[in-house]
Amino acid sequence: DAKTTQPTSMDCAEGRAANLPCNHSTISGNEYVYWYRQIHSQGPQYIIHGLKNNETNEMASLIITEDRKSSTLILPHATLRDTAVYYCIVRGPSGSARQLTFGSGTQLTVLP
Amino acid sequence: EAQVTQNPRYLITVTGKKLTVTCSQNMNHEYMSWYRQDPGLGLRQIYYSMNVEVTDKGDVPEGYKVSRKEKRNFPLILESPSPNQTSLYFCASSFGGRGSRDRIFGRRLEQFFGPGTRLTVL
Repeated sequence: DAKTTQPTSMDCAEGRAANLPCNHSTISGNEYVYWYRQIHSQGPQYIIHGLKNNETNEMASLIITEDRKSSTLILPHATLRDTAVYYCIVRGPSGSARQLTFGSGTQLTVLP
Repeated sequence: EAQVTQNPRYLITVTGKKLTVTCSQNMNHEYMSWYRQDPGLGLRQIYYSMNVEVTDKGDVPEGYKVSRKEKRNFPLILESPSPNQTSLYFCASSFGGRGSRDRIFGRRLEQFFGPGTRLTVL
């Protein structure tokens, strides 16, 4: 599975959009990009995933570049409750373990 | 409400005293998994189960056992706990699905996590 690179930390003002980048330059054609977040010591929470097209759900939007080497998770109106560690994970369909490998992630702090 | 529950949420025990952490999901998911989370090491998979009576080792299975007698339950058993098993444990479940079609695979990693069990072994 492709390796991902994320900034260690980011701040965002409450009510503004939070844009969290992720580089995955070695991604292969059948690998998905997943985003999870973990609020301090709680269970990780699935946010969104995508393959090629941009995706949007009730929580966030995922923008994947045309070459698929990077992506951005967008929280359109960040709230204090969005303060968490955000993980970008790239995973392909090979194998059956469905193991999620969480890297260091980005600590997003939403400031009042 | 769709959820994964774990019990107990907190446990302090002593070396060698057998314990079981229960995990239950109400989403009829085929796949269930246990992770442990330690500072600086991230989440590491202990065991997983593709379906009833089907279990397999993850990255760090030593010292743990699991069973999957029913679809909804996936208990984690520590036969003889040791201090190096002090950790935060998470159970997760997800849709199973078959085949390799992208849309099915895409859903497989939408894993639902439980609230966690903080275990301390003295």
